[in-house]
Amino acid sequence: NAGVMQNPRHLVRRRGQEARLRCSPMKGHSHVYWYRQLPEEGLKFMVYLQKENIIDESGMPKERFSAEFPKEGPSILRIQQVVRGDSAAYFCASSAEKRGSPLHFGNGTRLTVT
Amino acid sequence: RKEVEQDPGPFNVPEGATVAFNCTYSNSASQSFFWYRQDCRKEPKLLMSVYSSGNEDGRFTAQLNRASQYISLLIRDSKLSDSATYLCVAPLADSWGKLQFGAGTQVVVTP
Repeated sequence: NAGVMQNPRHLVRRRGQEARLRCSPMKGHSHVYWYRQLPEEGLKFMVYLQKENIIDESGMPKERFSAEFPKEGPSILRIQQVVRGDSAAYFCASSAEKRGSPLHFGNGTRLTVT
Repeated sequence: RKEVEQDPGPFNVPEGATVAFNCTYSNSASQSFFWYRQDCRKEPKLLMSVYSSGNEDGRFTAQLNRASQYISLLIRDSKLSDSATYLCVAPLADSWGKLQFGAGTQVVVTP
């Protein structure tokens, strides 16, 4: 049973480019979460999605960031016009339908903006 | 007050010793809690779930104190491989699925 799959593992973008991070949840999981971890800081919640719905995006920056979880295919976190401050590790996690279920994390995508 | 608060440490622990640390949470309605460990900024991995008064798994024991709103993690017979950052996780108020992570407690087990 494959775990949460994220790709790419490492992503380098120049300032102003777009970054697309992908996440496939564990089999049977319909809830996806994105967290960001800046260097020397803790995990910060960004967004919580179910299939075709954004449930909570209170942690998403108001501009340049968007997320989706389409009916078919992986969840995508998209960052437009990246800046150096976007450099971080972006972790995706998934959970089962049952309330109170723990999160299972992918390996993360390390984004470096040059 | 932060919603989930942890002592950042580091806790320097001799191999074989016992170490314990707490995590306080602000949402009194929280029902489920988790401890994760994170190594060298890799992905967090679930260590234990805490749904009632406590949970024990081998050398690890987690306890929940609802009156004082904290959970604790105790590690017995520490191994070098226990060196990691331990993250406390609690659900946020009025949020079905949004889990708040603490900043983590660093544990360093020394030979």
